Amino acid sequence: DAGVIQSPRHEVTEMGQEVTLRCKPISGHDYLFWYRQTMMRGLELLIYFNNNVPIDDSGMPEDRFSAKMPNASFSTLKIQPSEPRDSAVYFCASAGPREQYFGPGTRLTVT
Amino acid sequence: RKEVEQDPGPFNVPEGATVAFNCTYSNSASQSFFWYRQDCRKEPKLLMSVYSSGNEDGRFTAQLNRASQYISLLIRDSKLSDSATYLCVPMDSNYQLIWGAGTKLIIKP
Repeated sequence: DAGVIQSPRHEVTEMGQEVTLRCKPISGHDYLFWYRQTMMRGLELLIYFNNNVPIDDSGMPEDRFSAKMPNASFSTLKIQPSEPRDSAVYFCASAGPREQYFGPGTRLTVT
Repeated sequence: RKEVEQDPGPFNVPEGATVAFNCTYSNSASQSFFWYRQDCRKEPKLLMSVYSSGNEDGRFTAQLNRASQYISLLIRDSKLSDSATYLCVPMDSNYQLIWGAGTKLIIKP
């Protein structure tokens, strides 16, 4: 198995632009998690899905953030409009259901 | 009280030595526990799962004390490649992982 796949690996964008992060979970896993990591706040859970349904989005910072999982093999995290404080590494992880396996992350820089 | 408490370190340890990390957790309902390692600028990687009193995998041994809400990780014959941050991660009843800041380990030649 290729593991969890994320794209892009790096994204540099200007404040106000829309950013879309993509994730392909491990085949057969029915849980998908989106995390954000910064030096100041550590690893934070943003939202997670079970069988493509959002279960808990209480970690999503504000309405500028949205996440979708249209099918079992694909999820997106969108930020619109982006702000400099959104700069972080965004990880996607999948599980079935206990052990979570992480993708390589997307390093987002908003200038 | 924090949900997960670990000594942030860094632990500076000579190559070949044995090192132990300790972790306490506050959620007494947690049934599953994990140790992850994270290298600088990389994703967390699952090192070991702990469902009963402990687990052993090669040079790595984890022990769980539910009464004291305490988990430990022992690394024997440490290698330079063991340098990383080690995260003790309990799971709650909703399959969510409870993340702390971890312990930084530096193995010196």
